[in-house]
Amino acid sequence: NAGVTQTPKFQVLKTGQSMTLQCAQDMNHEYMSWYRQDPGMGLRLIHYSVGAGITDQGEVPNGYNVSRSTTEDFPLRLLSAAPSQTSVYFCASSVGVGGSPLHFGNGTRLTVT
Amino acid sequence: AQSVTQLDSHVSVSEGTPVLLRCNYSSSYSPSLFWYVQHPNKGLQLLLKYTSAATLVKGINGFEAEFKKSETSFHLTKPSAHMSDAAEYFCVVREPGGSQGNLIFGKGTKLSVKP
Repeated sequence: NAGVTQTPKFQVLKTGQSMTLQCAQDMNHEYMSWYRQDPGMGLRLIHYSVGAGITDQGEVPNGYNVSRSTTEDFPLRLLSAAPSQTSVYFCASSVGVGGSPLHFGNGTRLTVT
Repeated sequence: AQSVTQLDSHVSVSEGTPVLLRCNYSSSYSPSLFWYVQHPNKGLQLLLKYTSAATLVKGINGFEAEFKKSETSFHLTKPSAHMSDAAEYFCVVREPGGSQGNLIFGKGTKLSVKP
């Protein structure tokens, strides 16, 4: 059972570079989301999607783009990396909204210098 | 608006003693409540969930939590701590309906277990 797979596990970028964090799930979940985790801040929602072709902003969307062309994949794009985007990023999915628990990937640790 | 407060940022217990991690929430609706555990350099793993069935919820690894509506609490307990329980724990609220289905995370409680 692969579950939610995130790549890469680690990444170092220079300020101004762009990159895409990959997220794939094999559970046919409709809902997918991206969070960032920073010390003392808990997890904060960046973007989410309730199905293929539908995306929306979360709490901290600035500097990030997403798309959802298939049910399985939900990539997160950093357009022009900034040191403030140094964080651990988690992708998560669930069957739907409401009472469904989220299933998390193992995270991508990003450092922007 | 929903919110979650984890009352302790750090809890330290001795191996074999009880664990209590406190969580209070506010919600306009009947929420779903979750506890997740995160071991170092790992993703979050679901420990247990409450979705308006039994108020005492049993989870994995001997953990349980009790939903108390009158106190708006959902505290996590375990009778006897094990060294492998050392991790960070997150209390999470999710309100039903709406297009967002967002979860609100508490800021986490780091549990240390002393031998």
